[in-house]
Amino acid sequence: EIVLTQSPGTLSLSPGERATLSCRASQTVRSSFLAWYQQKPGQAPRLLIFGASTRATGIPDRFSGSGSGTDFTLTISRLEPEDFGVYYCQQYGNSPLLTFGGGTKVEIK
Amino acid sequence: EVQLVESGGGLVQPGRSLRLSCAASGFTFNDYAMHWVRQVPGKGLEWVSGISWNGGSMGHAVSVQGRFAISRDNAKNSLFLQMNSLRAEDTALYYCAKDLGSGSYFAFDAFDSWGQGTMVTVSS
Repeated sequence: EIVLTQSPGTLSLSPGERATLSCRASQTVRSSFLAWYQQKPGQAPRLLIFGASTRATGIPDRFSGSGSGTDFTLTISRLEPEDFGVYYCQQYGNSPLLTFGGGTKVEIK
Repeated sequence: EVQLVESGGGLVQPGRSLRLSCAASGFTFNDYAMHWVRQVPGKGLEWVSGISWNGGSMGHAVSVQGRFAISRDNAKNSLFLQMNSLRAEDTALYYCAKDLGSGSYFAFDAFDSWGQGTMVTVSS
């Protein structure tokens, strides 16, 4: 099983600032099969990025993903008020055993 | 518009069984793999099980292997999760999620649509 470790646990930032979220895998994620999701309180998760760097339909271009191998990053270039929430990475390269990271909470400073 | 509606959750005693259902609409159900993901309130996401478009490929998290079984009925656009030998640690909100791809040959993808979840509480 691939273990995903996300850091930091909490990120306190102001609107307009840049957010950098990290996801580190315990072993290589095949073909960069890594996704990022956003979850707000009381809501289901929403897909932001798949294939490490491809934005899902309707996702603003302030969200970008990068990385390969064991190290991946989600960057939000300029935080909007609606971007605050919890972000999860997920690997699907080790199918059929999929795993999620523990999450990074992005909160208003 | 994709809609996924889970049902079947509730309060159940440890050791008992429960069957969750997910009714899908707004897309061609039999073209896509489907999954169950759970979340303890206030905690993170845990992938539980996934099944390919035709049921030929399936996977389960280590924590539920041998106790949970995923299945689907493409004629009824429905996904199921049979949960046996339930434990207190299975208490969670269970989401149904649609895969981006078909899941053939165990090749699952990211999840582009989610339901709102059904709560399962295991307690005596």
